[in-house]
Amino acid sequence: QVQLVESGGGVVQPGRSLRLSCAASEFTFSNYAMYWVRQAPGKGLEWVAVISFDGTNKYYADSVRGRFTISRDNSKNTLYLQMNSLRTDDTAVYYCARDIDYGDHLEGYFDYWGQGSQVTVSS
Amino acid sequence: EVVLTQSPGTLSLSPGERATLSCRASQSVSKSRLAWYQQKPGQAPRLLIYGASYRATAIPDRFSGSESGTDFTLTISRLEPEDFAVYYCQQYGGSPLTFGGGTKVEIK
Repeated sequence: QVQLVESGGGVVQPGRSLRLSCAASEFTFSNYAMYWVRQAPGKGLEWVAVISFDGTNKYYADSVRGRFTISRDNSKNTLYLQMNSLRTDDTAVYYCARDIDYGDHLEGYFDYWGQGSQVTVSS
Repeated sequence: EVVLTQSPGTLSLSPGERATLSCRASQSVSKSRLAWYQQKPGQAPRLLIYGASYRATAIPDRFSGSESGTDFTLTISRLEPEDFAVYYCQQYGGSPLTFGGGTKVEIK
């Protein structure tokens, strides 16, 4: 059974940094593009970033570009999200999610999601 | 950016009734690249429909999707107790990927 397990969330002050991890198992992680999607309290879903299967291509939402960095370590089956210069409006549950397709095509919708990691930015 | 507007915000229905959820796109969605997800409290979203009308693996056939131009519809033919949740549409035909604001289906 495919598993995605996020970790690294917590409470942080505005302007500080945090790194989220997403450990993948029970599938060939290196074959799939991976995403971060977030959900602010009581709000809807917002796509944050995507990384291609081999890490060569990365794309970001305008709201996080220049502050967040997505990366992956295929030898460790782990996805990361480095979040710098955090703002109060970055407060959300952050989900990692797997692209429906494998290989170098970014299909853009998701068949497996992690359980989420809460990030709270507050002074 | 494709803006998705979901309506109604909340749908109050009884088990066994039919639910019709709407998702309107601000512009054409390339190649019907629209998905629907179900989310229950404290859980991650679950893929229901992709390509506007194709059921994902293991999704019961009481869930169906359709499209007409820039209007997309998710229909639940007969609501089961486990179907009361929030539903989101998402387009993946253009960048950035965008989601609708959600429709909550609650027990009347």
